[in-house]
Amino acid sequence: DADVTQTPRNRITKTGKRIMLECSQTKGHDRMYWYRQDPGLGLRLIYYSFDVKDINKGEISDGYSVSRQAQAKFSLSLESAIPNQTALYFCATSEVSNTGELFFGEGSRLTVL
Amino acid sequence: GDSVTQMEGPVTLSEEACLTINCTYTATGYPSLFWYVQYPGEGLQLLLKATKADDKGSNKGFEATYRKETTSFHLEKGSVQVSDSAVYFCALSGWNTGNQFYFGTGTSLTVIP
Repeated sequence: DADVTQTPRNRITKTGKRIMLECSQTKGHDRMYWYRQDPGLGLRLIYYSFDVKDINKGEISDGYSVSRQAQAKFSLSLESAIPNQTALYFCATSEVSNTGELFFGEGSRLTVL
Repeated sequence: GDSVTQMEGPVTLSEEACLTINCTYTATGYPSLFWYVQYPGEGLQLLLKATKADDKGSNKGFEATYRKETTSFHLEKGSVQVSDSAVYFCALSGWNTGNQFYFGTGTSLTVIP
Protein backbone atom coordinates (compact mmCIF):
# COMPACT_ATOMS: atom_id res chain seq x y z
CA ASP A 1 0.00 0.00 0.00
CA ALA A 2 1.10 3.55 -0.74
CA ASP A 3 2.47 5.64 2.14
CA VAL A 4 0.50 8.68 0.95
CA THR A 5 -2.96 7.92 -0.38
CA GLN A 6 -5.21 10.34 -2.22
CA THR A 7 -8.89 9.94 -3.00
CA PRO A 8 -10.45 10.25 -5.46
CA ARG A 9 -7.83 9.66 -8.14
CA ASN A 10 -10.05 11.15 -10.81
CA ARG A 11 -13.07 13.39 -10.56
CA ILE A 12 -15.19 15.25 -13.07
CA THR A 13 -17.55 17.85 -11.70
CA LYS A 14 -19.51 20.90 -12.73
CA THR A 15 -18.95 24.57 -12.06
CA GLY A 16 -20.29 25.61 -8.67
CA LYS A 17 -20.11 22.19 -7.05
CA ARG A 18 -18.29 21.57 -3.78
CA ILE A 19 -15.44 19.10 -4.02
CA MET A 20 -13.27 17.50 -1.37
CA LEU A 21 -9.98 15.77 -2.05
CA GLU A 22 -8.70 13.61 0.76
CA CYS A 23 -5.21 12.62 1.75
CA SER A 24 -4.05 10.13 4.33
CA GLN A 25 -0.52 9.05 5.22
CA THR A 26 1.12 6.24 7.12
CA LYS A 27 4.59 7.78 7.31
CA GLY A 28 4.01 9.40 10.69
CA HIS A 29 5.05 12.80 9.41
CA ASP A 30 3.78 15.96 11.03
CA ARG A 31 4.03 18.10 7.90
CA MET A 32 1.52 17.83 5.08
CA TYR A 33 1.06 19.84 1.91
CA TRP A 34 -1.31 20.31 -0.99
CA TYR A 35 0.12 21.22 -4.39
CA ARG A 36 -1.42 21.90 -7.74
CA GLN A 37 0.30 20.93 -11.01
CA ASP A 38 -0.47 22.66 -14.27
CA PRO A 39 1.40 22.15 -17.56
CA GLY A 40 4.27 24.62 -17.88
CA LEU A 41 3.78 25.96 -14.36
CA GLY A 42 5.30 23.19 -12.31
CA LEU A 43 3.99 22.65 -8.79
CA ARG A 44 2.42 25.44 -6.81
CA LEU A 45 1.70 25.26 -3.10
CA ILE A 46 -1.92 25.69 -2.07
CA TYR A 47 -1.84 25.05 1.70
CA TYR A 48 0.47 23.42 4.16
CA SER A 49 0.25 22.22 7.73
CA PHE A 50 3.17 21.66 10.07
CA ASP A 51 1.04 19.98 12.71
CA VAL A 52 -2.62 19.37 13.51
CA LYS A 53 -3.14 22.86 14.91
CA ASP A 54 -1.10 24.68 12.27
CA ILE A 55 -2.56 25.61 8.87
CA ASN A 56 -0.86 28.01 6.48
CA LYS A 57 -1.75 29.48 3.12
CA GLY A 58 0.55 28.83 0.24
CA GLU A 59 1.11 30.64 -3.02
CA ILE A 60 -2.37 30.04 -4.49
CA SER A 61 -4.86 29.50 -1.65
CA ASP A 62 -7.73 31.59 -3.04
CA GLY A 63 -10.75 29.40 -3.79
CA TYR A 64 -9.48 26.55 -1.62
CA SER A 65 -9.76 25.54 2.02
CA VAL A 66 -8.22 22.72 4.03
CA SER A 67 -8.86 20.68 7.13
CA ARG A 68 -6.29 18.77 9.16
CA GLN A 69 -8.45 16.18 10.87
CA ALA A 70 -5.57 14.25 12.42
CA GLN A 71 -1.84 13.88 12.02
CA ALA A 72 -2.48 11.41 9.23
CA LYS A 73 -5.27 13.21 7.37
CA PHE A 74 -5.32 16.45 5.39
CA SER A 75 -8.24 17.35 3.15
CA LEU A 76 -8.51 19.98 0.44
CA SER A 77 -11.87 21.53 -0.42
CA LEU A 78 -13.07 23.58 -3.34
CA GLU A 79 -16.18 25.30 -2.02
CA SER A 80 -17.47 26.30 -5.45
CA ALA A 81 -15.43 24.77 -8.22
CA ILE A 82 -14.59 26.75 -11.35
CA PRO A 83 -13.07 25.56 -14.65
CA ASN A 84 -9.65 27.11 -14.02
CA GLN A 85 -9.30 24.80 -11.02
CA THR A 86 -9.02 21.93 -13.45
CA ALA A 87 -5.62 20.48 -12.60
CA LEU A 88 -3.68 17.62 -11.08
CA TYR A 89 -3.54 17.90 -7.28
CA PHE A 90 -0.88 16.33 -5.12
CA CYS A 91 -0.70 15.75 -1.41
CA ALA A 92 2.74 15.43 0.14
CA THR A 93 4.31 14.87 3.54
CA SER A 94 7.70 15.60 5.05
CA GLU A 95 9.67 15.23 8.23
CA VAL A 96 10.57 18.13 10.48
CA SER A 97 13.93 18.84 8.91
CA ASN A 98 15.46 21.39 6.59
CA THR A 99 17.01 18.55 4.60
CA GLY A 100 14.01 16.28 4.51
CA GLU A 101 12.37 15.29 1.29
CA LEU A 102 8.74 15.44 0.26
CA PHE A 103 6.80 12.20 -0.16
CA PHE A 104 4.01 12.51 -2.70
CA GLY A 105 0.73 10.79 -3.27
CA GLU A 106 -0.19 9.59 -6.74
CA GLY A 107 -2.30 12.64 -7.48
CA SER A 108 -5.96 13.50 -7.94
CA ARG A 109 -6.98 14.67 -11.38
CA LEU A 110 -9.86 17.11 -11.17
CA THR A 111 -11.83 18.35 -14.16
CA VAL A 112 -14.33 21.16 -13.69
CA LEU A 113 -16.75 21.56 -16.57
CA GLY B 1 12.18 35.67 -2.98
CA ASP B 2 13.49 32.17 -3.30
CA SER B 3 13.03 30.50 -6.65
CA VAL B 4 14.24 27.80 -8.99
CA THR B 5 14.76 28.14 -12.73
CA GLN B 6 15.25 25.06 -14.84
CA MET B 7 15.78 24.35 -18.48
CA GLU B 8 12.62 24.26 -20.48
CA GLY B 9 11.74 21.22 -22.45
CA PRO B 10 10.71 19.09 -23.95
CA VAL B 11 13.96 17.24 -24.44
CA THR B 12 14.17 14.27 -26.81
CA LEU B 13 17.26 12.07 -26.81
CA SER B 14 18.29 8.81 -28.36
CA GLU B 15 19.05 5.92 -26.07
CA GLU B 16 22.62 6.05 -24.66
CA ALA B 17 22.93 9.79 -25.26
CA CYS B 18 24.22 12.13 -22.55
CA LEU B 19 21.74 14.20 -20.58
CA THR B 20 22.11 17.55 -18.88
CA ILE B 21 19.16 19.46 -17.44
CA ASN B 22 20.15 22.86 -16.13
CA CYS B 23 18.87 24.20 -12.83
CA THR B 24 19.77 27.44 -11.12
CA TYR B 25 18.39 28.83 -7.91
CA THR B 26 17.94 32.04 -5.98
CA ALA B 27 17.86 31.74 -2.22
CA THR B 28 18.97 33.36 0.99
CA GLY B 29 21.05 31.20 3.23
CA TYR B 30 21.97 27.66 2.34
CA PRO B 31 19.03 25.63 1.09
CA SER B 32 18.93 21.94 0.38
CA LEU B 33 18.55 21.11 -3.30
CA PHE B 34 16.56 18.27 -4.82
CA TRP B 35 15.75 16.61 -8.11
CA TYR B 36 12.37 14.92 -8.31
CA VAL B 37 11.16 12.67 -11.12
CA GLN B 38 7.60 12.10 -12.25
CA TYR B 39 6.96 9.02 -14.38
CA PRO B 40 3.81 8.99 -16.51
CA GLY B 41 0.68 8.68 -14.41
CA GLU B 42 2.53 8.78 -11.12
CA GLY B 43 3.34 11.22 -8.36
CA LEU B 44 6.72 12.80 -7.88
CA GLN B 45 9.48 10.86 -6.22
CA LEU B 46 12.86 11.95 -5.00
CA LEU B 47 15.66 11.20 -7.44
CA LEU B 48 18.56 12.74 -5.53
CA LYS B 49 19.43 15.55 -3.16
CA ALA B 50 22.33 17.58 -1.80
CA THR B 51 22.26 19.46 1.46
CA LYS B 52 25.37 21.63 1.37
CA ALA B 53 27.79 23.24 -1.05
CA ASP B 54 29.96 20.86 -3.12
CA ASP B 55 27.83 17.86 -2.16
CA LYS B 56 27.07 15.50 -5.03
CA GLY B 57 23.78 13.66 -5.05
CA SER B 58 23.54 10.51 -7.12
CA ASN B 59 20.99 7.80 -7.86
CA LYS B 60 20.16 5.46 -10.76
CA GLY B 61 23.11 6.82 -12.77
CA PHE B 62 22.01 10.43 -12.36
CA GLU B 63 24.23 12.98 -10.64
CA ALA B 64 24.00 16.60 -9.58
CA THR B 65 26.49 18.76 -7.71
CA TYR B 66 25.54 21.64 -5.42
CA ARG B 67 27.49 24.62 -6.80
CA LYS B 68 27.17 27.59 -4.49
CA GLU B 69 29.43 29.82 -6.58
CA THR B 70 27.20 29.47 -9.64
CA THR B 71 23.97 28.79 -7.68
CA SER B 72 23.39 25.73 -9.81
CA PHE B 73 22.37 22.09 -9.43
CA HIS B 74 22.45 20.63 -12.94
CA LEU B 75 21.21 17.08 -13.47
CA GLU B 76 23.43 14.80 -15.55
CA LYS B 77 23.43 11.25 -16.80
CA GLY B 78 26.01 9.74 -19.07
CA SER B 79 23.80 7.27 -20.91
CA VAL B 80 20.04 7.58 -20.83
CA GLN B 81 17.60 4.71 -21.27
CA VAL B 82 14.05 4.57 -22.55
CA SER B 83 12.93 4.00 -18.96
CA ASP B 84 14.29 7.44 -18.02
CA SER B 85 11.49 9.11 -19.97
CA ALA B 86 9.76 11.28 -17.39
CA VAL B 87 9.36 14.84 -16.16
CA TYR B 88 12.19 16.11 -13.95
CA PHE B 89 11.75 18.85 -11.36
CA CYS B 90 14.44 20.80 -9.57
CA ALA B 91 13.50 22.07 -6.10
CA LEU B 92 14.92 23.78 -3.04
CA SER B 93 14.01 23.94 0.62
CA GLY B 94 15.56 25.08 3.84
CA TRP B 95 15.20 26.93 7.10
CA ASN B 96 15.24 30.28 5.29
CA THR B 97 12.29 29.23 3.16
CA GLY B 98 10.29 28.26 6.21
CA ASN B 99 10.85 24.69 5.06
CA GLN B 100 8.63 25.31 2.09
CA PHE B 101 9.68 23.68 -1.14
CA TYR B 102 10.08 25.76 -4.29
CA PHE B 103 9.88 23.85 -7.55
CA GLY B 104 11.01 24.59 -11.06
CA THR B 105 8.52 24.23 -13.89
CA GLY B 106 9.70 20.77 -14.85
CA THR B 107 11.55 19.41 -17.88
CA SER B 108 10.00 16.64 -19.92
CA LEU B 109 12.45 14.04 -21.21
CA THR B 110 11.64 11.49 -23.89
CA VAL B 111 14.22 8.86 -24.75
CA ILE B 112 13.72 7.06 -28.04
CA PRO B 113 15.20 3.65 -28.87
